[in-house]
Amino acid sequence: EIVLTQSPGTLSLSPGERATLSCRASQSVSSSYLAWYQQKPGQAPRLLIYGASSRATGIPDRFSGSGSGTDFTLTISRLEPEDFAVYYCQQYGSSPFTFGGGTKVEIK
Amino acid sequence: EVQLVQSGAEVKKPGESLKISCKGSGYSFTSYWIGWVRQMPGKGLEWMGIIYPGDSDTRYSPSFQGQVTISADKSISTAYLQWSSLKASDTAMYYCASQGSGSYYDAFDIWGQGTMVTVSS
Repeated sequence: EIVLTQSPGTLSLSPGERATLSCRASQSVSSSYLAWYQQKPGQAPRLLIYGASSRATGIPDRFSGSGSGTDFTLTISRLEPEDFAVYYCQQYGSSPFTFGGGTKVEIK
Repeated sequence: EVQLVQSGAEVKKPGESLKISCKGSGYSFTSYWIGWVRQMPGKGLEWMGIIYPGDSDTRYSPSFQGQVTISADKSISTAYLQWSSLKASDTAMYYCASQGSGSYYDAFDIWGQGTMVTVSS
């Protein structure tokens, strides 16, 4: 089973700042089958990025994903008030399709 | 509109059985894998397993194999998650989600609203 480790656990930033979230896999993620989700309190997760770097439908271009192999990054170029939430990575290249533990982006 | 609508919240006692549902609409239900994800109170997401409604091919996470059963009834575009004997540790929010293409290897792009299951004596 591939274990995904997200860091940091919490990121305290101000609106307008840049956020950089990391997701490290215990083994190489095949074909860059890595997704990022956003979850706000009381809501279901929402897909942001799939295939490590492709934005899902309707996702603003301030969200970008990069990486390959075992190291992946989600970048939010300029934080908007609605971006403060928890972010999860997920690998879907090897069953079970595991999630990382999450990074909370909070208002500083 | 493509959507997944889950059944309502449940409160059960330890040892009871339960089956929750997830109804798809607005797309070809039989052509996309549907998965189940657990979120325990205040915790992260856990991938439980997925099913292909077209032929009921089902894959489980080892952590959940034998603990739950995933099934689907394609005639009514509905997937299910069931327990034969609930434990207090099954208390969680359960989400169903559909993968974005007909491929097994894909992300979850459509999510249900979640079903809260509370198990308490």
